[in-house]
Amino acid sequence: EVQLLESGGGLVQPGGSLRLSCAASGFTFRAYAMSWVRQAPGKGLEWVLGINEGGGTTYYADSVKGRFTISRDNSKNTVYLQMNSLRAEDTAVYYCAKAHGIATRHFDYWGQGTLVTVSP
Amino acid sequence: DIQMTQSPSSVSASVGDRVTITCRASQGVSSWLAWYQQKPGKAPKLLIYAASSLQSGVPSRFSGIGSGTDFTLTISSLQPEDFATYYCQQANSFPRTFGQGTKVEIK
Repeated sequence: EVQLLESGGGLVQPGGSLRLSCAASGFTFRAYAMSWVRQAPGKGLEWVLGINEGGGTTYYADSVKGRFTISRDNSKNTVYLQMNSLRAEDTAVYYCAKAHGIATRHFDYWGQGTLVTVSP
Repeated sequence: DIQMTQSPSSVSASVGDRVTITCRASQGVSSWLAWYQQKPGKAPKLLIYAASSLQSGVPSRFSGIGSGTDFTLTISSLQPEDFATYYCQQANSFPRTFGQGTKVEIK
């Protein structure tokens, strides 16, 4: 059974940093691209970052470019999201999502999400 | 960036109704279009990928059609568990973008 378990969320002050982790199990992690998608309270979904299978190629939304970094450790079956210079508008539930097995640009499994709150 | 526009933003329907949601892309996305269902407090769930392919385990009352810029999700006979918010997502280019969502509510 595919499982994605995010951790690391919490309350942080504006300008602060936080690192989220997403531990994967139930599939061959190194064979799939991964993404982070966020959802501000009461709002829609926003894709923010993606990383290819080997970790050598990353993609960013303009809203987080230069502040957030995605990385992965295939030996630990984990993808990370390093968030720096956090702003109030980064407050959201952050989901990690696995690339689909066939249509690899879509997401077939999602974690349960971890809440990040940026507030003084 | 490719903008995705869903309509309607919300729809009230009864159990057994046929519900159609449309998604329009600001530029062509080929067939790289997915539909997700999200219930309150839960992660999104993939329903349709590549515009018209039904994800494994998803009931056949869900169907998708379209290519290029115009796409449709249809629920042929609405069931109580289908009341949720639905999002389209393009994957033709980065950044991946989602529609604003369509909330399906009980009439």
